[in-house]
Amino acid sequence: GEDVEQSLFLSVREGDSSVINCTYTDSSSTYLYWYKQEPGAGLQLLTYIFSNMDMKQDQRLTVLLNKKDKHLSLRIADTQTGDSAIYFCAERENQAGTALIFGKGTTLSVSS
Amino acid sequence: NAGVTQTPKFRVLKTGQSMTLLCAQDMNHEYMYWYRQDPGMGLRLIHYSVGEGTTAKGEVPDGYNVSRLKKQNFLLGLESAAPSQTSVYFCASSPLVGAEAFFGQGTRLTVV
Repeated sequence: GEDVEQSLFLSVREGDSSVINCTYTDSSSTYLYWYKQEPGAGLQLLTYIFSNMDMKQDQRLTVLLNKKDKHLSLRIADTQTGDSAIYFCAERENQAGTALIFGKGTTLSVSS
Repeated sequence: NAGVTQTPKFRVLKTGQSMTLLCAQDMNHEYMYWYRQDPGMGLRLIHYSVGEGTTAKGEVPDGYNVSRLKKQNFLLGLESAAPSQTSVYFCASSPLVGAEAFFGQGTRLTVV
């Protein structure tokens, strides 16, 4: 079945870059997503990438996709304390493509 | 602009009690989902619906039932609550396969 793997914790200093990594198993995934969850809140979509793209940049966020290795990464430039949250990588379920399969989430801690 | 609304936000149940969690969306989305979030487990899909009158099982459906009698509402039922169902429950909706999923704020359920 589909599986999405992420490291659980990342700690950075304010102003540094953060890189959160994710591996997925479904090579037919057409969309891959990054969601952010702040404490006590639901998930909000940060960005997504189509499988025919290698890179997508959106302000401080850069998403890199290596389809050969099934590896997805999210880079946050100039990380701020407000970026402290849990970041989830997600892919679409294979057959029907109707549901998102999430990784366990990476907790990003930003210290000043 | 409400988006996805979940009720209640918090609930404590005794083992064996039943309850229904309500999810309502005002975006005319076809797809709706129920996830549970547990520490270190990420989000796991319980049930989902691809349209009014349809439901399907996700990864962890046991002990839960769902109904989608109206397009805007997706109900999650627990017939006989167990401590293992203590979790935070998230509802989400999306308009199309591959589109962004919008999440509610979550329901924190404790079964004692």
